[in-house]
Amino acid sequence: QVQLQESGPGLVKPSETLSLTCTVSGGSVSSGSYYWSWIRQPPGKGLEWIGYIYYSGSTNYNPSLKSRVTISVDTSKNQFSLKLSSVTAADTAVYYCVRATVVGALDYWGQGTLVTVSS
Amino acid sequence: SSELTQDPAVSVALGQTVRITCQGDSLRSYYASWYQQKPGQAPVLVIYDKNIRPSGIPDRFSGSNSGNTASLTITGAQAEDEADYYCNSRDSSGKPWVFGGGTKLTVL
Repeated sequence: QVQLQESGPGLVKPSETLSLTCTVSGGSVSSGSYYWSWIRQPPGKGLEWIGYIYYSGSTNYNPSLKSRVTISVDTSKNQFSLKLSSVTAADTAVYYCVRATVVGALDYWGQGTLVTVSS
Repeated sequence: SSELTQDPAVSVALGQTVRITCQGDSLRSYYASWYQQKPGQAPVLVIYDKNIRPSGIPDRFSGSNSGNTASLTITGAQAEDEADYYCNSRDSSGKPWVFGGGTKLTVL
């Protein structure tokens, strides 16, 4: 059974960089069959795709966030990570790491981690 | 704003059939996937590709597509089906994936 677990600070100050890591168990980030993704959900609102990374290191980001987002992968630790720079209160959300199939089905989700942007 | 449009709320009587719809131009080219989200929990994939249910998803859930509209049908809705439902698909406007705004399903 594939499991994903987010980790990182729950509180980030405005203008700083949000950093989260997703640890994958029961599967490999080196698999060529999946895209390793980040999705967020502001409190009481809907889902927003942030971006994904392929095992090769190629990435694709939401155009609305592209200038601030970096997703990387560490195959030796079976982890992938998210960095979002210059955060504001609008970036307060539950952040999920997710495995996506090549047909775009988001089949395994982490439990999510709430990140609050506040001074 | 979402490039996929969903009704904000839908209700269904216990045991009856309900259809939740998702509209968008990308659905003319790509299948939708559907996710169920209960309060305080991560979304769960319930339907993907043409009409495939992941292991463990009851067969009362089914999906269909017609033109620019994808539908999730729950045949014989149960109390535990009360949740938010989101659709997503690939998109041709620069984002690989887009989500609908979600539909809150109430089982009466």
